[in-house]
Amino acid sequence: GQQLNQSPQSMFIQEGEDVSMNCTSSSIFNTWLWYKQDPGEGPVLLIALYKAGELTSNGRLTAQFGITRKDSFLNISASIPSDVGIYFCAGPSNSGGSNYKLTFGKGTLLTVNP
Amino acid sequence: GAVVSQHPSRVICKSGTSVKIECRSLDFQATTMFWYRQFPKQSLMLMATSNEGSKATYEQGVEKDKFLINHASLTLSTLTVTSAHPEDSSFYICSVTQGNSEAFFGQGTRLTVV
Repeated sequence: GQQLNQSPQSMFIQEGEDVSMNCTSSSIFNTWLWYKQDPGEGPVLLIALYKAGELTSNGRLTAQFGITRKDSFLNISASIPSDVGIYFCAGPSNSGGSNYKLTFGKGTLLTVNP
Repeated sequence: GAVVSQHPSRVICKSGTSVKIECRSLDFQATTMFWYRQFPKQSLMLMATSNEGSKATYEQGVEKDKFLINHASLTLSTLTVTSAHPEDSSFYICSVTQGNSEAFFGQGTRLTVV
């Protein structure tokens, strides 16, 4: 099946710094989704991308849909302590003809030191 | 986005007993819901697709007799872990999909089997 390679696996940064993480795939995705998961909670949708080359912002978050449709990145600017959590990229799997089954990256664990 | 409520948030049970987890779509009629399992420091793994009024579709390697799924209405899907064993201890999360592949997740259920 489709796989998403997410990097880095973890990041330790100081408050105020910018952060960048990315996902790549060997196959094409038509949608890229970025989620954040706090400990003991379900993932929360941050940004959804639908068009190749699309650049979308949500507050301090910016994400881009790669032009080849095989990659996406998420940037967080001026990080704050509440940005701590695990960030996942995800895309709909093509297996079984369903566009709604999501494939997830392995996640990026972000730690922000005050 | 869709509001998804999961209950209970935590449950501890004895080996050999069964545990039922509920997933409710509070503001959206969901013909399809998804059940995921997440081990510590790992990504979400899709277990099964819950289909309203019909049988669930299980991912490869997931025992359908072990993880019983019922989707009796457009707002409720249940996952029953039967004859639970310690290796079934995990974080279980449900989701509904709205719009163009955007998934919205419940708060998750932490199952501990002792």
